[in-house]
Amino acid sequence: DQQVKQNSPSLSVQEGRISILNCDYTNSMFDYFLWYKKYPAEGPTFLISISSIKDKNEDGRFTVFLNKSAKHLSLHIVPSQPGDSAVYFCAASHPAAGNKLTFGGGTRVLVKP
Amino acid sequence: DVKVTQSSRYLVKRTGEKVFLECVQDMDHENMFWYRQDPGLGLRLIYFSYDVKMKEKGDIPEGYSVSREKKERFSLILESASTNQTSMYLCASSLRGGWNTEAFFGQGTRLTVV
Repeated sequence: DQQVKQNSPSLSVQEGRISILNCDYTNSMFDYFLWYKKYPAEGPTFLISISSIKDKNEDGRFTVFLNKSAKHLSLHIVPSQPGDSAVYFCAASHPAAGNKLTFGGGTRVLVKP
Repeated sequence: DVKVTQSSRYLVKRTGEKVFLECVQDMDHENMFWYRQDPGLGLRLIYFSYDVKMKEKGDIPEGYSVSREKKERFSLILESASTNQTSMYLCASSLRGGWNTEAFFGQGTRLTVV
């Protein structure tokens, strides 16, 4: 039973437009959320995170939104660039789990020039 | 600069072989993790360790064991490799303490069992 789900396995977007990636979770104990980016044949790299006390966190072109009541978060990339083409993973953790992260299935993003 | 290094990028092993995957981190992190990545399933936790000689099972520990004799090194062992263990294996480390901390990943080992 996946506690973190990314229901869109893939996303295609034109360069310069917005990419919106979605993530849903079922465990209400989760209170810290992260997004990782992964290129083929490389390990995931941390992109941005958000604590449950916030509903938005922004870092340059990347913004993460959290809706706790809906158990939903999203990652916005504006503007999208060809170098953003990668697989994006949503992850979550909670205090009782220590530093163990639970990951979603990933969304493959393709940014077309 | 933060670094997690996995000993091999690509490995091909035969069914029934004992396989060792090594991971070293240079950040003095207490926590270390082994994940495997499969298409559509994301990253699934195999084992993790909060301290030297300490280990805990993750979500899919069957067929695997681990060893942590030194703080910087965490080894994943496939006791008798099987074809369903063909996967991308990812090692990660993080600081202990708060739950709100990111994990740093190695470059991954693509293991093929034939």
